[in-house]
Amino acid sequence: EVQLVETGGGLVQPGKSLKLTCATSGFTFSNAWMHWVRQSPEKQLEWVAQIKAKSNNYATYYAESVKGRFTISRDDSKSSVYLQMNSLKEEDTAIYYCTWGVWFAYWGQGTLVTVSS
Amino acid sequence: DTVLTQSPALAVSPGERVTISCKASESVSTRMHWYQQKPGQQPKLLIYKASNLASGVPARFSGSGSGTDFTLTIDPVEADDTATYFCQQSWNGWTFGGGTKLELK
Repeated sequence: EVQLVETGGGLVQPGKSLKLTCATSGFTFSNAWMHWVRQSPEKQLEWVAQIKAKSNNYATYYAESVKGRFTISRDDSKSSVYLQMNSLKEEDTAIYYCTWGVWFAYWGQGTLVTVSS
Repeated sequence: DTVLTQSPALAVSPGERVTISCKASESVSTRMHWYQQKPGQQPKLLIYKASNLASGVPARFSGSGSGTDFTLTIDPVEADDTATYFCQQSWNGWTFGGGTKLELK
């Protein structure tokens, strides 16, 4: 059974940092292109970042809204993907999901990030 | 970015046929996918590459389209289909439509 479990969300002040973790099981993680997708309080879904597999040199891509502030990374030995979020803004408030593939057949339950003073 | 436009809401009666549209600002070939999301849940893949039914999804759901115009059809609609439906393209990066909230009369 495919499982993705996101953790690390919480309440954080603007300008601060937070690191999200997505632990996975049930599929060949090392070959998977992993993504983070977020959903705002207004329910709008936004793709955030992607990291490809080792065979693709772990290439990374970012939405313009987070480029330079967020970093996606992975640890194939732990079947986990991470999202380091720096210089957080109130508009980063959202539920953050991890998923994989070209179309997103599997999603975690999400972790809520609230950026507020 | 490729912008995807959906109608905000629809209301239909159980047993009817409903079509939910998604229009892309530029061609996305057939790289359009559809998701269903119920309150408090993560999105669920229904259709991938415009017309392919995802595993475990009832045959009442179908998708069509190519280029810039796409449709998700539910026939017949059941009470359990009350949800928000999102389209998503993967031809030019990844973007989502704003969602169509389906309500049953």
